[in-house]
Amino acid sequence: EVELVESGGGLVQPGGSLRLSCAASGFTFYNYWMTWVRQAPGKGLQWVANINHNAIEQYYVDPVKGRFTISRDDAKNSVYLQMNSLRVEDTAVYYCVRLRFGSTTNYFDYWGQGTLVTVSS
Amino acid sequence: DIQMTQSPSSLSASVGDRVTITCRASQTISRYLNWYQQKPGKALKSLIYGGSNLQSGVPSRFSGSGSGTDFTLTISSLEPEDFATYYCQQSYSGPWTFGQGTRVEIK
Repeated sequence: EVELVESGGGLVQPGGSLRLSCAASGFTFYNYWMTWVRQAPGKGLQWVANINHNAIEQYYVDPVKGRFTISRDDAKNSVYLQMNSLRVEDTAVYYCVRLRFGSTTNYFDYWGQGTLVTVSS
Repeated sequence: DIQMTQSPSSLSASVGDRVTITCRASQTISRYLNWYQQKPGKALKSLIYGGSNLQSGVPSRFSGSGSGTDFTLTISSLEPEDFATYYCQQSYSGPWTFGQGTRVEIK
C-alpha cells in the first residue's frame, strides 16, 4: 500500500526557514517524480514544486522560486522541501504527492495527509 | 498561467441524485484534466485522470468527460460517502493549476 507521511511543519516567523520531509513507502520510490502541493486555510490547492526521479529536474511555481528547494534521498525513500525567507502568504497545509506520468496524461495519484506550516509573528 | 474555473462553487443534493460538476480551462488543454476528491481529515483522492480515465478502486458511479476547454465530472447516483469537495486540475502546461473547488453538501 502506498503511503506518504509528511513531517516538519510548525510555527515560524516571517523571514524564517523550515524543512519539510516526506517518508514514502509501498512503492519503488526512485521510479517516480514527486511533488509538493499546498492549501492555504480555507482555500484551494496550489502546486508548489516537482522533482524528477533522478533529481536532475526541479520545477517551481513562481511565488516560491529562489526561496524553496525540493530535493530527494532515494536511499531513504524521502523527499524534502527546504523553505527559506518564509512569508505570511506561505501559510498552508503542505501535501506530499506522488506524480504519475502516462503517455497521454500526468496526474497526482497518491497524496499524504499534509503538514501545517504557519508563518506569523 | 492556465486558469481553471469550476461551477458551481457549491451544490446541495440528496442521496441518489445525479450530480454534474463543470470545469473550464482558459485555453485548450487537450485531455490533460484530472479530478480529485477532498474530505475533512482524509488524504486527497484521485478520481479521474486524462479527462475520462477512472482511477483504480474508484466506484464506477464516477465518470469524466470532455476535451479542449470544457470538462465534466458526473456522479451518477450520489452516495453518503460522496459528500466532499471536488477539484479539477490541468497538467497540460506549467504551472499546473487547480480549479477553486466544488463543495457537494447534503440537502
